[in-house]
Amino acid sequence: QVQLVESGGGVVQPGRSLSLSCSASGFTVNTFGLHWVRQAPGKGLEWVALLWHDGSKEYYAESVKGRFTISRDTSKNTLYLQMNNLRVEDTAIYFCVRLRGHNFISAFDVWGHGTMVTVSS
Amino acid sequence: SYVLTQPPSVSVAPGQTAEITCGGHNIGRKTVHWYQQKAGQAPVLVIYHDSDRPSGIPERFSGSNSGNTATLIISRVEVGDEADYYCQVWDSDSTHFVFGTGTEVTV
Repeated sequence: QVQLVESGGGVVQPGRSLSLSCSASGFTVNTFGLHWVRQAPGKGLEWVALLWHDGSKEYYAESVKGRFTISRDTSKNTLYLQMNNLRVEDTAIYFCVRLRGHNFISAFDVWGHGTMVTVSS
Repeated sequence: SYVLTQPPSVSVAPGQTAEITCGGHNIGRKTVHWYQQKAGQAPVLVIYHDSDRPSGIPERFSGSNSGNTATLIISRVEVGDEADYYCQVWDSDSTHFVFGTGTEVTV
């Protein structure tokens, strides 16, 4: 069964760092592009970052560029999001999401359940 | 940056048809996807490539895209269709993925 399971969320102070993990099953992370998408409490969806299926390219939303890094470990079939210099406005549920095909216009076809990140002093 | 505008809410009676619009400049030239998010759950893909349905999604869900508006149509609406719905495109100018503002459907 194709599944994504996020972990690593928690409460952190502004300016600190946090790392999220996303364990994939039912497929290998080196065959699909994988995103992080977030949703602030009571708000809509916001795309955060994409790691291309072959690992060759990373793309980031302007709001996180320079602070967040997306990566993967193919031996663990796991995607990561390293979040540095966190801000209060980064508070959100973070979803790990699969890109359906090998092009940008593909849909987001598999979503994890999400992990909550709260940035607060 | 590219903006996708959706009505905040749509109310529909059971058995009727709900139309959810997604407005964007020349959106008809882009590929649009739609997601359903029920309360407390992760989003689910319901329409991809403007009008295709993933396996397991009822035929009651359909989509269209032309000009400056894409539309998600839910026919014979059921109580279980109550959810937030989001449209999504890829903006080639910014190489960013953009979500619509979201529409809350009340049945």
